[in-house]
Amino acid sequence: GENVEQHPSTLSVQEGDSAVIKCTYSDSASNYFPWYKQELGKRPQLIIDIRSNVGEKKDQRIAVTLNKTAKHFSLHITETQPEDSAVYFCAAYRGGGNKLTFGTGTQLKVEL
Amino acid sequence: DSGVTQTPKHLITATGQRVTLRCSPRSGDLSVYWYQQSLDQGLQFLIQYYNGEERAKGNILERFSAQQFPDLHSELNLSSLELGDSALYFCASSQGVSEGDTQYFGPGTRLTVL
Repeated sequence: GENVEQHPSTLSVQEGDSAVIKCTYSDSASNYFPWYKQELGKRPQLIIDIRSNVGEKKDQRIAVTLNKTAKHFSLHITETQPEDSAVYFCAAYRGGGNKLTFGTGTQLKVEL
Repeated sequence: DSGVTQTPKHLITATGQRVTLRCSPRSGDLSVYWYQQSLDQGLQFLIQYYNGEERAKGNILERFSAQQFPDLHSELNLSSLELGDSALYFCASSQGVSEGDTQYFGPGTRLTVL
């Protein structure tokens, strides 16, 4: 089955700096890659997603890039703010039943 | 608010007991998914239902079972509970089973087994 690796497991940045979280996946048939943000004790919330026919997608301070050949995708957050502090999960979807495989999460801490 | 509801919010029970967690999907969504999130752990996919039928199975224990009813709400039954079953259980829903349906998560049920 699909395997998703996520790095780093923790990331600490200064407010205003950029943060990058990277994920790799194993199944070349995967074609949909969402990113979720989870604040402590709360539900995971979709923040951005990308499909395999697109290389990059932006939404204000958040962007995701996808390299299908290398089977990796990344989340980029620019001008980080304290409210960006949370755990971020990447995921990969492989067709044949809508089963998402999640990465292990990155704890992002934005320091003042 | 994602539109997905889960009850109860918290559940405290003893080892060996059985509990039922309930999930109502967003209006119009046909698929329901169950995930387990243990302390400091990622999201483990348990099972998916689509329009009343089991669609995909993940790392779901034999002691756990689920079903989706005609009104599309779903229940996750956990029996012979063990200490290690203590976790956050999330339900998510999506429109259907098309390519890359976005999944929207409910607020979760926190299960504590004493």
